[in-house]
Amino acid sequence: NAGVTQTPKFRVLKTGQSMTLLCAQDMNHEYMYWYRQDPGMGLRLIHYSVGEGTTAKGEVPDGYNVSRLKKQNFLLGLESAAPSQTSVYFCAISSRAGAYGYTFGSGTRLTVV
Amino acid sequence: GEDVEQSLFLSVREGDSSVINCTYTDSSSTYLYWYKQEPGAGLQLLTYIFSNMDMKQDQRLTVLLNKKDKHLSLRIADTQTGDSAIYFCAEIPLNDYKLSFGAGTTVTVRA
Repeated sequence: NAGVTQTPKFRVLKTGQSMTLLCAQDMNHEYMYWYRQDPGMGLRLIHYSVGEGTTAKGEVPDGYNVSRLKKQNFLLGLESAAPSQTSVYFCAISSRAGAYGYTFGSGTRLTVV
Repeated sequence: GEDVEQSLFLSVREGDSSVINCTYTDSSSTYLYWYKQEPGAGLQLLTYIFSNMDMKQDQRLTVLLNKKDKHLSLRIADTQTGDSAIYFCAEIPLNDYKLSFGAGTTVTVRA
């Protein structure tokens, strides 16, 4: 998954703790996305950004916040983690047109206990 | 996503052909994709097809698009153990840029 780096790769949180997931890209793409993947449900869009300084809600935004202060970085925050947020989180990027699909990061596996 | 449906599991014998099917509901979809996810990894774009095409072939992969039935399929010829993975169908509707994914089909290749 060259071009998109996610940190951390694994994390265990206690209920109520907060954390930030970082997505960094070096492909100079405008669009960045955060998805969560759960068994049998595919990937669901949490938030996305169409450019530096912009963010928008996706399909399942509740409990998450995002920021894109720099074009190359897209941060996903959990202010008060809940067990329902146990999932694998993927960052993706695309060019403006998106015609050639997305480039994905390798994912962050988060467990909330 | 609820707009893209796939069967969840497929078991194939090594050397046989695999066919993974997908149906979508948005008739305005302009791009349709197949992604592959190996265990513990992110999603890798396998192939894509534009909505004005019926078929696309790329080495062992053949994509068929039936716009009338809103049906997309991916055929993998001579399936190998390295093809064991989850395969996601995805679409981008007209005037949009956000991908909608199916739930994924887990393909298991047996010897």
